[in-house]
Amino acid sequence: SSELTQDPVVSVALGQTVRITCQGDSLRSYYASWYQQKPGQAPVLVIYGKNKRPSGIPDRLSGSTSGNIASLTITGAQAEDEADYYCNSRDSSGNHWVFGGGTKLTVL
Amino acid sequence: QEQLVESGGGVVQPGRSLRLSCAASGFSFSSYAMHWVRQAPGKGLEWVAVIWYDGSNRYYADSVKGRFTISRDNFKNTLYLQMDSLRGDDTAVYFCARDVTVNGENWFDPWGQGTLVIVSS
Repeated sequence: SSELTQDPVVSVALGQTVRITCQGDSLRSYYASWYQQKPGQAPVLVIYGKNKRPSGIPDRLSGSTSGNIASLTITGAQAEDEADYYCNSRDSSGNHWVFGGGTKLTVL
Repeated sequence: QEQLVESGGGVVQPGRSLRLSCAASGFSFSSYAMHWVRQAPGKGLEWVAVIWYDGSNRYYADSVKGRFTISRDNFKNTLYLQMDSLRGDDTAVYFCARDVTVNGENWFDPWGQGTLVIVSS
């Protein structure tokens, strides 16, 4: 399969921990990367490879993979974490890429 | 700093053509593969196409194959997307993004701010 599946909506209480998941066969071969997108803005890389963060991304965001499921975990969610989150990886062919459908994170 | 700036979007009639550009600055453009990604209004991200750093390989999503052509000019540090036979479902914000691949790990960074294409009569 060349699809990545995400839960459409996830909510978390302020200061609590939330996990956003991404499932797909290609994740057995390729790491997922994760992007945060706020309304009206371009996506921003937040996690790549085996749990790496670009400069400027807070360490409360972390990534992991188990089998065909990649996860983005936010430990101690803040109001500014409210956004859409997308996973991405190469597909099984290696020459195409695929995005998950996105998860809208609400911080209560 | 590393920056990508798209241009060329607008309103176009179904069946017509449009060419998008993505100007790169702040990094060695000719060393990186580049992608186009689009986002229909209120929808998620959709990968569109990729071109290798030297233009030697190009791959497309099934939804645009045969209608869109990705190209680049490494002397002008510019990426292009030629869109022909446009349809209503091509209406979207189109982003360009740099591909970074290191030791098998792959990601898109940075992204441009996007350019809006509206296909409508």
